[in-house]
Amino acid sequence: AQSVTQPDIHITVSEGASLELRCNYSYGATPYLFWYVQSPGQGLQLLLKYFSGDTLVQGIKGFEAEFKRSQSSFNLRKPSVHWSDAAEYFCAVGENYGGSQGNLIFGKGTKLSVKP
Amino acid sequence: SQTIHQWPATLVQPVGSPLSLECTVEGTSNPNLYWYRQAAGRGLQLLFYSVGIGQISSEVPQNLSASRPQDRQFILSSKKLLLSDSGFYLCAWSVRAGELFFGEGSRLTVL
Repeated sequence: AQSVTQPDIHITVSEGASLELRCNYSYGATPYLFWYVQSPGQGLQLLLKYFSGDTLVQGIKGFEAEFKRSQSSFNLRKPSVHWSDAAEYFCAVGENYGGSQGNLIFGKGTKLSVKP
Repeated sequence: SQTIHQWPATLVQPVGSPLSLECTVEGTSNPNLYWYRQAAGRGLQLLFYSVGIGQISSEVPQNLSASRPQDRQFILSSKKLLLSDSGFYLCAWSVRAGELFFGEGSRLTVL
């Protein structure tokens, strides 16, 4: 069965420091991969997605992620974190699109805190 | 542009009372619609999805039901709420595989 693991429940970084949030997935075929961000009490916003092609994908708000098939990973990165990046981040993998289209399996999330 | 509206934003209900959460999408046709529940530390759990009017698929057995009376309307209901139904409920839509767009969520507290 498909699964997504985000090993870090909570990460704290200083403003201006670089950031990497880890995501590992288990999927039998080439996955569709996503990163979403959620501010407290809000819905989820799509940061970026990987369907195929270039394994380094750029997203909104200066984020990027790299798909590494050999490591079953899709880590999210940002070179310089801003205080407004404090939020919870969810990695997700796409299921079989022939049937239940659009059903995503989500990780449990990583909460990011930013120190001034 | 497409928008998704979800209401109410906050709801406090006694155990045993009914529930109705509503979600509507504007600016698109024949979307796939979803209800997720989010519990602290447990990520997002898919409850129901719908690929068309009257077509509902349930992912987990539970005290809840969903209906899609119109193309862009998705309703989450319960006849009798349980304490365990408390949580943050998110409606979402998609027209292409995988790219979900979420509403702002509804916080349900069952007392």
